[in-house]
Amino acid sequence: DAGVTQSPTHLIKTRGQQVTLRCSPKSGHDTVSWYQQALGQGPQFIFQYYEEEERQRGNFPDRFSGHQFPNYSSELNVNALLLGDSALYLCASSLVSELGAQYFGPGTRLLVL
Amino acid sequence: AQSVAQPEDQVNVAEGNPLTVKCTYSVSGNPYLFWYVQYPNRGLQFLLKYITGDNLVKGSYGFEAEFNKSQTSFHLKKPSALVSDSALYFCAVRDPRGATGFQKLVFGTGTRLLVSP
Repeated sequence: DAGVTQSPTHLIKTRGQQVTLRCSPKSGHDTVSWYQQALGQGPQFIFQYYEEEERQRGNFPDRFSGHQFPNYSSELNVNALLLGDSALYLCASSLVSELGAQYFGPGTRLLVL
Repeated sequence: AQSVAQPEDQVNVAEGNPLTVKCTYSVSGNPYLFWYVQYPNRGLQFLLKYITGDNLVKGSYGFEAEFNKSQTSFHLKKPSALVSDSALYFCAVRDPRGATGFQKLVFGTGTRLLVSP
C-alpha cells in the first residue's frame, strides 16, 4: 500500500522564479492538503483540495496556488518566490468521509536564494 | 481561534525511563487531537488520535496519550523510552470550522525529545 509521495525531494530556486511541487496521495484517499513548515516551526496550513476544487485556504497570499487532478494527485505552485518561501512543503492526504488522521509525505525542501 | 500549545521546547529522558510530552489545546466544540513524530529530514508520521471514547488512547511504537477535558490537555506518554524515540513531536488539533472532512490541522510548535543511552 503506497503512502503519500512527493517530488522533488529538494529544490533550489532564486527570488522571483516560480516553482511547482507534486504530490500523490495514499491509495484510497481523495483529499489532499498542503502545509508549509519553516525551520524550527510547526506546519502551517496552505490549502486543501477535494474533487479538483480548493475547499479551504489558510493565510497565504495568492502567489500560492494549487490543483488537483482526476486521479487525486495534486500540485502546489508558488509564483514570484521570496526568500521567506524557503521551507519544507508537506503534502497530506485523507478521506473526506472520515474524521481520521491526515497522512503526510516526506516533503519537498525548497531553498530560495 | 483554535490553538495548540507545547510548553516544552525540549524534553530529556534516560533510556528505559517513562517519558511525557505535554500538549494543551484550545478549540470550540469537540476536540479532535493528534500526535505526529518527525525524524530529521523526514515528513510527519502519525502516532495516534483522539476523536471520542476512552480518554487513554494507544498508538504506534508503544506510545499512548491521555485526553483530559477539564485540563484541556492531551499529553503524550511512553512507559519506557528508547534512544530511537529521539525526534521532534507535534501535537495537532483539527479546526472544527468548515465542513466535516475539510477541516485543517493546527499544529503546535513541536517538542524535541532527546533520549540518552
